[in-house]
Amino acid sequence: GAGVSQSPRYKVAKRGQDVALRCDPISGHVSLFWYQQALGQGPEFLTYFQNEAQLDKSGLPSDRFFAERPEGSVSTLKIQRTQQEDSAVYLCASSSTKQGALPYEQYFGPGTRLTVT
Amino acid sequence: DAKTTQPTSMDCAEGRAANLPCNHSTISGNEYVYWYRQIHSQGPQYIIHGLKNNETNEMASLIITEDRKSSTLILPHATLRDTAVYYCIVRVRGSNYKLTFGKGTLLTVNP
Repeated sequence: GAGVSQSPRYKVAKRGQDVALRCDPISGHVSLFWYQQALGQGPEFLTYFQNEAQLDKSGLPSDRFFAERPEGSVSTLKIQRTQQEDSAVYLCASSSTKQGALPYEQYFGPGTRLTVT
Repeated sequence: DAKTTQPTSMDCAEGRAANLPCNHSTISGNEYVYWYRQIHSQGPQYIIHGLKNNETNEMASLIITEDRKSSTLILPHATLRDTAVYYCIVRVRGSNYKLTFGKGTLLTVNP
């Protein structure tokens, strides 16, 4: 009955370092989303997976951002050569239904707070 | 998806009803109204959604006006734990799976 978990909860990186953020969705959930939330703002969509297929990556801010979900469960968001503007909370969400299905709710994890110094 | 307008902040006394308004005057006939909330340092949490009829669940009630241009989320007996940012989101059934958040309303429940 566990919810969406994310690790690490906090990450401090020096500018130029690569980071990897992990998301464990609710077991059996087909859809997985990544969002970025800057301080004082609402979350903004980054990318969407249906099982292992990345169907939408239109929100990724640059080619330094890369996400994968190779076996259709755990997902990793990787940021290469981090910049200060990458500092934000990165949220992962999962849902039991596919795109096109009835309106559904997304279950969010607690997020990973990334600080780039 | 239709754009929504919410007040930046609201206050409510503990034990009283909290009524959070949302304007979505450009909503289309096939767009649903969703409400999520985000408690400090947590991820957003789904509250409720509706199309045109009023909806109620264990967390809240959603009242949608007849012309569907606005809605109100009602927390019937607010507690301190309801202090959070509340987001009103309008989205089309099926065709747009991602959630588009605005800045939401910061509801502060006071003792």
